[in-house]
Amino acid sequence: ELKVEQNPLFLSMQEGKNYTIYCNYSTTSDRLYWYRQDPGKSLESLFVLLSNGAVKQEGRLMASLDTKARLSTLHITAAVHDLSATYFCAVDISGSQGNLIFGKGTKLSVKP
Amino acid sequence: KAGVTQTPRYLIKTRGQQVTLSCSPISGHRSVSWYQQTPGQGLQFLFEYFSETQRNKGNFPGRFSGRQFSNSRSEMNVSTLELGDSALYLCASRIGDYNEQFFGPGTRLTVL
Repeated sequence: ELKVEQNPLFLSMQEGKNYTIYCNYSTTSDRLYWYRQDPGKSLESLFVLLSNGAVKQEGRLMASLDTKARLSTLHITAAVHDLSATYFCAVDISGSQGNLIFGKGTKLSVKP
Repeated sequence: KAGVTQTPRYLIKTRGQQVTLSCSPISGHRSVSWYQQTPGQGLQFLFEYFSETQRNKGNFPGRFSGRQFSNSRSEMNVSTLELGDSALYLCASRIGDYNEQFFGPGTRLTVL
């Protein structure tokens, strides 16, 4: 059974600080997605990582994928309050089955 | 381009009733997946439809069913509702295999 583990599950940061969220998964996959969810809202796509060594950056967020280590990271640089949300990684093990396996999410709170 | 739409946005039902949720994918998207989100279990895959065929199903009881129409719109049905079915139900569409899924706003179901 594929497992996707995120850590930490809760993260309280000061504005201006850097931190990394980790996403480990237990089976081979070269498709990994990061989503953001605000309270009571749906999932907003942040990054699509489709190959080993892929790195994507958008603003203060940078995501990377190491398929050999089965690890993806989401790095936050100089956090601001607007980044407060829950972040999910999701692994697509098939591509053709429409079945994303999600981590439990990391609830990020950025405090002034 | 319009996003994924889901109706209704909120539903309150009582135990034993049944409910039908609707999802309209992004125009041109042929694949629709459904997910259940609860605080305890997180995001779990329900099923995926492509060209009116269910291709994949998650580990949910037979009370959960769905279908897809020729215009790619999809419905899911939950019969004999239980308290534990209270959740946010999200649908996601994608243009085809190996493509990113885009999520709708969700339907929040409360079972009393």
